[in-house]
Amino acid sequence: IAGITQAPTSQILAAGRRMTLRCTQDMRHNAMYWYRQDLGLGLRLIHYSNTAGTTGKGEVPDGYSVSRANTDDFPLTLASAVPSQTSVYFCASSEEGGSTEAFFGQGTRLTVV
Amino acid sequence: RKEVEQDPGPFNVPEGATVAFNCTYSNSASQSFFWYRQDCRKEPKLLMSVYSSGNEDGRFTAQLNRASQYISLLIRDSKLSDSATYLCVVNTNDYKLSFGAGTTVTVRA
Repeated sequence: IAGITQAPTSQILAAGRRMTLRCTQDMRHNAMYWYRQDLGLGLRLIHYSNTAGTTGKGEVPDGYSVSRANTDDFPLTLASAVPSQTSVYFCASSEEGGSTEAFFGQGTRLTVV
Repeated sequence: RKEVEQDPGPFNVPEGATVAFNCTYSNSASQSFFWYRQDCRKEPKLLMSVYSSGNEDGRFTAQLNRASQYISLLIRDSKLSDSATYLCVVNTNDYKLSFGAGTTVTVRA
């Protein structure tokens, strides 16, 4: 089934641990994004990538890193998790930047304790 | 000031009613506008794009007012299945989509 897939769907993580959230799309979209969604705050952009090999910082990048080695994959890494990173994380992709429809993965619920 | 602001609601309406709500954006250079729908604990999905001249998609009508920097969504003949959170989304530059916090609509039988 074509689309965008995230893994894991949920995770409980001890503070200080390293964690990588995986995201894969098979639509050959150029742009990919990572958002976090917190109650009352909506979706906030963490990092983005306009094309394979390039990445950029969103509005809340601190504590997160990304890589875009190929078109399909866009993993998000928390180097040393903190409780404030407890959130729902959505990966998304779009054909070309922000002017086209964004398709979202099903989300990863992360709890840092 | 947030880039995109929405009335969080909730809007509780009976089946068959019309419900409308707005969203304001702060960046006058914004180019693209969208409404996304998000069901509880699910991923957002595109409901409709918003065009300068306004547009309809079935029971849904979207309007853009560039002078006052707001977009609106109107739902006619509400169905139970319209219960969801509606996210206002604005493209502020070539890569970034800015999301509002969402407006919750609950349609009751």
